[in-house]
Amino acid sequence: NAGVTQTPKFRILKIGQSMTLQCAQDMNHNYMYWYRQDPGMGLKLIYYSVGAGITDKGEVPNGYNVSRSTTEYFPLRLELAAPSQTSVYFCASSPPLRTGYQETQYFGPGTRLLVL
Amino acid sequence: GIQVEQSPPDLILQEGANSTLRCNFSDSVNNLQWFHQNPWGQLINLFYIPSGTKQNGRLSATTVATERYSLLYISSSQTTDSGVYFCAVGYNNNNAGNMLTFGGGTRLMVKP
Repeated sequence: NAGVTQTPKFRILKIGQSMTLQCAQDMNHNYMYWYRQDPGMGLKLIYYSVGAGITDKGEVPNGYNVSRSTTEYFPLRLELAAPSQTSVYFCASSPPLRTGYQETQYFGPGTRLLVL
Repeated sequence: GIQVEQSPPDLILQEGANSTLRCNFSDSVNNLQWFHQNPWGQLINLFYIPSGTKQNGRLSATTVATERYSLLYISSSQTTDSGVYFCAVGYNNNNAGNMLTFGGGTRLMVKP
């Protein structure tokens, strides 16, 4: 299994441009998450999905959109990029909750985004 | 929402020293995880420990859920332990899975 993969690894955007950060997982996990990590800070949840076709906002959703048409893919869309969106973006997934099991989140390697 | 505070924010150790990192959280949780973020940015899960004590080699963790804190112990530190240690908590439910709230991290540097 490749686990959670993210593309691109690094991107520079100009203010006002848009882009899509790609995330894929091959573990058949139903739960998927997008976090951002600002320099020197912890991770904050942007959006999450509990399954194909179902998404919801996290703590910092403004300026982003997501979609989840299949179990495997969970892309994050930035419209009208702003300098405040300069950050490292992590995608994560986790399996269904099962009584008695300890389900951790599996993280991708991150996408480093610089908006100038 | 739930608040997660980690201390100390920064820690410098000499190789071979021991250390204790603390995580305080503001509400009941049934999910607590410790992560290590290496200098290349990769997040590695260390422990899933909503309560009790676990050990893995030189690392161990204890969570006292009733008092809303968790401790991560690093013994005989090595330079490869350098990086940022995050505590993350949540309340597992079918509506959001095991969605996590992260603390601000403890930045550890181990000097040779």
